[in-house]
Amino acid sequence: GAGVSQSPSNKVTEKGKDVELRCDPISGHTALYWYRQSLGQGLEFLIYFQGNSAPDKSGLPSDRFSAERTGGSVSTLTIQRTQQEDSAVYLCASSLSGTHEQYFGPGTRLTVT
Amino acid sequence: AQSVSQHNHHVILSEAASLELGCNYSYGGTVNLFWYVQYPGQHLQLLLKYFSGDPLVKGIKGFEAEFIKSKFSFNLRKPSVQWSDTAEYFCAVNAGDGNKLVFGAGTILRVKS
Repeated sequence: GAGVSQSPSNKVTEKGKDVELRCDPISGHTALYWYRQSLGQGLEFLIYFQGNSAPDKSGLPSDRFSAERTGGSVSTLTIQRTQQEDSAVYLCASSLSGTHEQYFGPGTRLTVT
Repeated sequence: AQSVSQHNHHVILSEAASLELGCNYSYGGTVNLFWYVQYPGQHLQLLLKYFSGDPLVKGIKGFEAEFIKSKFSFNLRKPSVQWSDTAEYFCAVNAGDGNKLVFGAGTILRVKS
């Protein structure tokens, strides 16, 4: 079946602009995760959703970052007033509730100029 | 806080050589352990996982990993590598009562043909 999809695949934005990144999880997967992959920092957890609620937001680096999930499916990660250090690949993963096996999407490469 | 250490950042092998990539984690409770692989230009894929039971787990493409609880280790092995194994390999840990994955820094494997 279809895997996790993310859009856009690449995003170039100017410093100070807001960006929205989208994740469409595998159908039926109630758990959804956002991670960030950057040079020097590796893969870092950002936020976890179970259904539409986010019981773990501990990885969000600042209040410029927020995420929401609607209808227990699609999630949007929003970065306000982007900074150059936000440049990274943003990865989304999903899993079935009660399992720990996460399936990753192809990521969105964000470049802040 | 949980952490994961991967001992080698870059490994270069000739085809047919044996591979062992080290992974150690710091967490005293129940853990779920994973190896993910990222082939050039592709997204993260699950290679193998350990939840419980036999500490020697076999994954796709001839890979295996051994969980040694006393050493907090989960090393990845393959008896004979192929050029197509060239990729970046990530060890990840999920605490038994948590949801997020904590990743190691990754090991870039280059197999010379």
